[in-house]
Amino acid sequence: AQKITQTQPGMFVQEKEAVTLDCTYDTSDQSYGLFWYKQPSSGEMIFLIYQGSYDEQNATEGRYSLNFQKARKSANLVISASQLGDSAMYFCAMREGLAGSARQLTFGSGTQLTVLP
Amino acid sequence: AAGVIQSPRHLIKEKRETATLKCYPIPRHDTVYWYQQGPGQDPQFLISFYEKMQSDKGSIPDRFSAQQFSDYHSELNMSSLELGDSALYFCASSSALTSENTEAFFGQGTRLTVV
Repeated sequence: AQKITQTQPGMFVQEKEAVTLDCTYDTSDQSYGLFWYKQPSSGEMIFLIYQGSYDEQNATEGRYSLNFQKARKSANLVISASQLGDSAMYFCAMREGLAGSARQLTFGSGTQLTVLP
Repeated sequence: AAGVIQSPRHLIKEKRETATLKCYPIPRHDTVYWYQQGPGQDPQFLISFYEKMQSDKGSIPDRFSAQQFSDYHSELNMSSLELGDSALYFCASSSALTSENTEAFFGQGTRLTVV
């Protein structure tokens, strides 16, 4: 079974509008971390936001927020007030185990976001 | 702030040649991870090192080997290169001593093209 599922291969959003990128995960671990990364066409992997499995509050970082629904095993990324520079591939990833456990990340297949002027 | 440094940024090799990719982690980070991202694919975990010892192994071909040195930098050695090895290779570093989101730090990647 896929550990990270991103069901939207591509998404379009109008500039200045909000967009939600979906991510569901599968793990039997109680401790895990969820990450979102942005990968522009230049190829670099840019960290956006992190949610720990024990965090009760949804994570927020500027225009990025993570809608964490633990019972549903979903960790959707919400980008508010989209900008043209947000056009990129977005990856959801999971680390199973405790933070600092030196465990690797498992990535989803990504969502290509295009912001329209 | 210092980031993860990878070299070279771009590399072109012929089939059956060898390649060495280098990764310099963030200072005081003790763990290094290598990922391979093929064209249009998501990153796949290859191997990781903690305190200079192999920590975890993923889908790394036998033709590849890696190590972490005393200064914590790491090298990924790739031999008998094949066309399918063409990919973006990422290194990431973390510190096992912290409880924060330690996997956030990726290098800019090395783009390997095998011709």
